[in-house]
Amino acid sequence: NAGVTQTPKFQVLKTGQSMTLQCAQDMNHEYMSWYRQDPGMGLRLIHYSVGAGITDQGEVPNGYNVSRSTTEDFPLRLLSAAPSQTSVYFCASSRRLAGDEQFFGPGTRLTVL
Amino acid sequence: EDQVTQSPEALRLQEGESSSLNCSYTVSGLRGLFWYRQDPGKGPEFLFTLYSAGEEKEKERLKATLTKKESFLHITAPKPEDSATYLCAVQAVGGGSNYKLTFGKGTLLTVNP
Repeated sequence: NAGVTQTPKFQVLKTGQSMTLQCAQDMNHEYMSWYRQDPGMGLRLIHYSVGAGITDQGEVPNGYNVSRSTTEDFPLRLLSAAPSQTSVYFCASSRRLAGDEQFFGPGTRLTVL
Repeated sequence: EDQVTQSPEALRLQEGESSSLNCSYTVSGLRGLFWYRQDPGKGPEFLFTLYSAGEEKEKERLKATLTKKESFLHITAPKPEDSATYLCAVQAVGGGSNYKLTFGKGTLLTVNP
C-alpha cells in the first residue's frame, strides 16, 4: 500500500491565484481530513469528510473548498490564495470515524507571495 | 473548547538519559489520546492511542501513560535516532466536530550522542 499520498510536495503561488492540493489514500478509509501546520500553532483542522459525498468544516475553513467524489480522493482547493495561507498542508485518513489513529501524508509546503 | 498543552516545548538529552514528555488536556469527554512522532519535513507518524485512565502502551524505548488530566511519554535510554518532534492529540466525545483531533504544539526532542 502506498498509504496517503499528496501532490505537489512544494508549490509557490502569487496572491489571487487558485490551485488544488491533491490527496489520495489506498486503504479504503472512510474518514479523511486536511490540516495546516504553522510554526507555534500546531496542526489545525481545515475540512474533513466522513465518506464519499459528505464533507464538513473544521476549525479554519475560510478560503478553502473540498469535495469527496470517491473514497480514495480528497482534494483541497484554494480559491484565491492569500499570504496568510502560506503553510504546510497535511492530508490524513483513518479507517473508522472515531477512535482510530489517523495516517498522515508527507505534506505540501505552500508559499503565497 | 478542547485544549491540549505539551511541555516542555524543547528538551535536550544525552544519549541514555531517560526523561518524560507531558501532555495536559481538557475535553468534555475523551474518546482517545494519540501520540505522534514528526521528523523534519515529514508528516506525523502514529505511535500510540490511549483510551482510558490507567492505560499504558509501550513500543521499544517509548512508553505512554494516561490519567484523567494528562498523558506522559516516557523515553528510556534514548538514542540519537529518537530525536524528533512529539505531538499529542485528543479526540473528544460529542460536540460539533465529533471526529477531529485537537493537537498540542509539540515537544522538540534532541538526543545528543
